[in-house]
Amino acid sequence: KNQVEQSPQSLIILEGKNCTLQCNYTVSPFSNLRWYKQDTGRGPVSLTIMTFSENTKSNGRYTATLDADTKQSSLHITASQLSDSASYICVVSAQGNFGNEKLTFGTGTRLTIIP
Amino acid sequence: DSGVTQTPKHLITATGQRVTLRCSPRSGDLSVYWYQQSLDQGLQFLIQYYNGEERAKGNILERFSAQQFPDLHSELNLSSLELGDSALYFCASSSVGDLRYNSPLHFGNGTRLTVT
Repeated sequence: KNQVEQSPQSLIILEGKNCTLQCNYTVSPFSNLRWYKQDTGRGPVSLTIMTFSENTKSNGRYTATLDADTKQSSLHITASQLSDSASYICVVSAQGNFGNEKLTFGTGTRLTIIP
Repeated sequence: DSGVTQTPKHLITATGQRVTLRCSPRSGDLSVYWYQQSLDQGLQFLIQYYNGEERAKGNILERFSAQQFPDLHSELNLSSLELGDSALYFCASSSVGDLRYNSPLHFGNGTRLTVT
């Protein structure tokens, strides 16, 4: 069964500090891995999408890494801001039948930035 | 703003009732996906439509159904509602029917359904 596990479940850090969120997956056959940011009461917003051949991808202060051998990904947030308070969701795409992709969502890491 | 519009934002109804959730995809997007997010759960894929036709099915209950209309908007119908159906229902759209091409999904802000 395809699974995506994220850690930690929740994290509180001071404004201006860096943090790293983890994602481990057992999804096969792997197609791509996505990180989303979800503010409370809002829909998820795409941060990065990485394919098998990509090790790292940045979007401003967000940098995602992917190790397809160990099936691990991380999302590093640099110089955190209060607006970074949100849930961060790791989503792994597996190729399904007839080429249709099936997305498996993690339950997210709830990040809180305090001033 | 993702460009995906969902209505209504909130819905409160009683068990046994039927409701319809509506989604207008981003301009130019042909695919619409429906997801359910229960408390502290990851998003669960329900169903996908591409250009009016059902493309993929996930863990959608028989009490639930959906369709995509010629103008590409989509409706999710939930019937014989149970307390456990209370959740956030998200619609997402993409420009392609196959996410192998790394096309991003654009999510609406969801409909919060409360069944009492």
